[in-house]
Amino acid sequence: DVKVTQSSRYLVKRTGEKVFLECVQDMDHENMFWYRQDPGLGLRLIYFSYDVKMKEKGDIPEGYSVSREKKERFSLILESASTNQTSMYLCASSLKRASGYEQYFGPGTRLTVT
Amino acid sequence: TQLLEQSPQFLSIQEGENLTVYCNSSSVFSSLQWYRQEPGEGPVLLVTVVTGGEVKKLKRLTFQFGDARKDSSLHITAAQPGDTGLYLCAGGDTGKLIFGQGTTLQVKP
Repeated sequence: DVKVTQSSRYLVKRTGEKVFLECVQDMDHENMFWYRQDPGLGLRLIYFSYDVKMKEKGDIPEGYSVSREKKERFSLILESASTNQTSMYLCASSLKRASGYEQYFGPGTRLTVT
Repeated sequence: TQLLEQSPQFLSIQEGENLTVYCNSSSVFSSLQWYRQEPGEGPVLLVTVVTGGEVKKLKRLTFQFGDARKDSSLHITAAQPGDTGLYLCAGGDTGKLIFGQGTTLQVKP
């Protein structure tokens, strides 16, 4: 079974702090993704990566950066946390099968910025 | 731009009832997927449908891909409280999937 783990389930940070969210997958998937999920707004893609050291902006990259130094690890960085970044953050990795791409998600990190 | 629209957005039913959730697009997708997300957890892949007209069953859940591959439906027979959650459809021809907004299902005992 694919396993995607995230470093924290719950996190509380203060405005202005630098925040690191880490994601690790154990299935050698090339693609990894960071989303945030807010009520009424669905899943919104922040950044994704097709390979080590490669990254592409998603739909809402402002205020975030990412790092992918190893294939299995994809980190999301909030350079200076703000209250509007309070959200559920979901990491995913994906595999291309004959039937198309399938994404596998971690359990999520509920981040509160006060 | 490819979009996926789900309906209804919210559904609250009694245990034992049947329901159908819809996922529609004006674009053709090579495949569509359905995910279920329980409160406080990440989405979990339920099924992928690939062929137009395809029907797949997963216990009490029946998934159908439209003939034109622009829409899909999820039918649950005799819903149980354990079916409660957010149901998401997704599709895309690249690694970057497009997700619908989701249908929140509440099944009351």
